Amino acid sequence: GAVVSQHPSWVICKSGTSVKIECRSLDFQATTMFWYRQFPKQSLMLMATSNEGSKATYEQGVEKDKFLINHASLTLSTLTVTSAHPEDSSFYICSASTGREDEQYFGPGTRLTVT
Amino acid sequence: GENVEQHPSTLSVQEGDSAVIKCTYSDSASNYFPWYKQELGKRPQLIIDIRSNVGEKKDQRIAVTLNKTAKHFSLHITETQPEDSAVYFCAASLGTLTFGKGTMLLVSP
Repeated sequence: GAVVSQHPSWVICKSGTSVKIECRSLDFQATTMFWYRQFPKQSLMLMATSNEGSKATYEQGVEKDKFLINHASLTLSTLTVTSAHPEDSSFYICSASTGREDEQYFGPGTRLTVT
Repeated sequence: GENVEQHPSTLSVQEGDSAVIKCTYSDSASNYFPWYKQELGKRPQLIIDIRSNVGEKKDQRIAVTLNKTAKHFSLHITETQPEDSAVYFCAASLGTLTFGKGTMLLVSP
């Protein structure tokens, strides 16, 4: 149980284009989903927290117009990187939670490369 | 907000030795402290956690201790094996997880 999937697992896009990443909880309802960014050999940096049906809460320094987050259902959240630039290249990981802090499960991550 | 410091950043041990990773946190209201193991290119996996009303918790070869007064908690791995090699993250939570910077553990055969 408690499986979280992400799609795609990796993506290469050209500078200026937009990329959408999906995060799905496959066998439970996720009232809250989190989006993290991880640079090589670095920690997980929380970008935003989204609750189903509500606007996402972004961490300080994260541009909400650039990283669009939608949490339209209890099993799906999407992150869209708009007008991507090479500096947006990173490993993006989502996690889904039932609402209990000890029930937060991570997706496998998406490797984004912007050329 | 919460700030979590983690040490060391890298740790090399011989198979069979023990490994200890330490974390400190800043917000005394944090009440949940999980540890995650992340293998290269994979998702973080919860390996053990502890709540603020408990001082120690053990699960086979891994244990976590918490000192609320000093605001620090530690991960202990005994009888290390090569498959323990990974990056370990501590976190502190008051609803939202704040992660430490990670410790790369390398266990040599």
